[in-house]
Formats: sequence, structure tokens, C-alpha cells
Amino acid sequence: DTGVSQDPRHKITKRGQNVTFRCDPISEHNRLYWYRQTLGQGPEFLTYFQNEAQLEKSRLLSDRFSAERPKGSFSTLEIQRTEQGDSAMYLCASTGLTNYEQYFGPGTRLTVT
Amino acid sequence: DAKTTQPPSMDCAEGRAANLPCNHSTISGNEYVYWYRQIHSQGPQYIIHGLKNNETNEMASLIITEDRKSSTLILPHATLRDTAVYYCIVRVVWDGGTSYGKLTFGQGTILTVHP
Repeated sequence: DTGVSQDPRHKITKRGQNVTFRCDPISEHNRLYWYRQTLGQGPEFLTYFQNEAQLEKSRLLSDRFSAERPKGSFSTLEIQRTEQGDSAMYLCASTGLTNYEQYFGPGTRLTVT
Repeated sequence: DAKTTQPPSMDCAEGRAANLPCNHSTISGNEYVYWYRQIHSQGPQYIIHGLKNNETNEMASLIITEDRKSSTLILPHATLRDTAVYYCIVRVVWDGGTSYGKLTFGQGTILTVHP
């Protein structure tokens, strides 16, 4: 257990539905990252926050995806109008001021049917 | 960030040292070498990182060649629980006061430790 938690761990949804995932980073960490991992591939960067500011977004983050970190603590990742191609593991990671080590949560596995 | 090349898979006998190679021939002077691993269905786990010097911690040792174009992760006494995908990543951490964030993962090396 790295101290980064994610909820839910598994989500099955029908195509076209909206889903929201939550990440709680290690409490003193000011940076939070979201990654997506499809079967057989390494994780791919989606976006990152420093405190409540979203500083970088990947081109993978289409306009159906939105991420927030309203008070610089937990973060949510919402996917609107889900598609089968959104089926993946969504990973959250956090790091502190030294920025050397990112600690990952267990991930949320999304299945879109 | 510079790209890395790793063998797709390796085997190791339990109790023996596992030596995982990584090529990063285009690494820049301010890029660190990082190793993460991912056990099936879990999030990636940080193992070790280094810039120029060899590094050792409770999990592993990292040997970086003098020209920094390649490195080797050494698990000194592999156990069955070390079976995982191992990722070698090169990454700028700080550059002129600016902090960089994301990790760029490749395909990694699937290490299988067998009895």
C-alpha cells in the first residue's frame, strides 16, 4: 500500500454513460497525476495537477474527459459519453516537492460494454 | 524525454540475481534513469533512480555506464514475488528551476522468476 487510494477499484458501465473516478493522494503531496493503461501497454500520461492547478494535459485527454482537483487534495476524473475504447485501467499517482518518486494507486479498471 | 529500449522478456531462477538491461543512448545530461515495476493488476511501484552514479537501496541496485547510454537494474536474490513487468524510464526532474512531471512508459521487460 503506497498511501494513494482510488475509488472505485472496478467499474462496469454501458456505452454512453458518464463515469467518475476519485483519487486520494498521499496527504502532503502537492502533485497529482492521472495515467491510462490499456491491456499489454505501459501506462500513458493523461494530465497532472500541482495543488489545484491543472498544468498539463495530454492529447489523449479528449473533450469527453475532465479532471479536477478543487482544493488541492483529492482529484476526480470524469468521462462523459463513454465509448468501448475507454475501457482501460486508470491510474493515479502523487509526488511531493522533491518530485523524484511518483507513488501510484491501485488503479480503477473501467469496462465499457 | 529520451527513449529507452528493453528486452521484451527475461527469465531468472529463484535465488539468483536478475540483471535487467536498458539502453538509453540519447539521454541528456539532466535526465535521470528511473526503474518502476508493475505486478499483475497493480499500480506501478517505484524501485530506484539515478543520474550518474550507481545506486543501491533495499530493493535493488542500479548500475549506469560511464557514458550514461545504458543501465542495468540488479535484483540480487530474485524471488517469485519479483515476477513483474519492469520499466526503465529516463526523465528530466528539474531544469533551470522548472520542475517536470510525467513519466513516459515504454513496453518494459516481463521478468519471470521460476522455482
